Amino acid sequence: DAGVTQSPTHLIKTRGQQVTLRCSPKSGHDTVSWYQQALGQGPQFIFQYYEEEERQRGNFPDRFSGHQFPNYSSELNVNALLLGDSALYLCASSLPDSYEQYFGPGTRLTVT
Amino acid sequence: AQSVSQHNHHVILSEAASLELGCNYSYGGTVNLFWYVQYPGQHLQLLLKYFSGDPLVKGIKGFEAEFIKSKFSFNLRKPSVQWSDTAEYFCAVNAKGGANNLFFGTGTRLTVIP
Repeated sequence: DAGVTQSPTHLIKTRGQQVTLRCSPKSGHDTVSWYQQALGQGPQFIFQYYEEEERQRGNFPDRFSGHQFPNYSSELNVNALLLGDSALYLCASSLPDSYEQYFGPGTRLTVT
Repeated sequence: AQSVSQHNHHVILSEAASLELGCNYSYGGTVNLFWYVQYPGQHLQLLLKYFSGDPLVKGIKGFEAEFIKSKFSFNLRKPSVQWSDTAEYFCAVNAKGGANNLFFGTGTRLTVIP
């Protein structure tokens, strides 16, 4: 049973560009959450998707957007990249109505 | 708003020493509590969780944590650490009855010296 998978592993972008990160949830999980983990910090909640809709959103600007597909996989899009967007982006999935989340390995984004 | 404080930023211990990492949270309602571990180069893994019941919870690899409601604390403990426990430890909370998104502390880096 595959856990949460994310792609790509690493990514280098230039300031002002746009980026798309991908996540496949653990088998049977229908809820996907995205977190940003800056160096030396704990993960910060970006948003959560359930039934292909954004259910909850953290304190992140509209440059951060997402999508969930019918197979429950998800994308995180970031427009107009800033140097401060450099971080590890984590995807987590959970079972319906469960408080417990399972994390993927993350995508390391570097903005130059 | 929810917040989580981990006051120990970096802890260095010798093997076989006892460990206690502090975690305090701030939230007006009832919460679920978690400790996650991030080993070097690996993804976040759940160590243990508290939803309700016995405030002393046991997790994997000999870790345990105690929920003290009056102190808004959920400290992590291990009687005897091993070199393999070297990792980053994160305390996290989410709200009962709400969305399950987690609020994390800033983490504590544990270095165990052989």
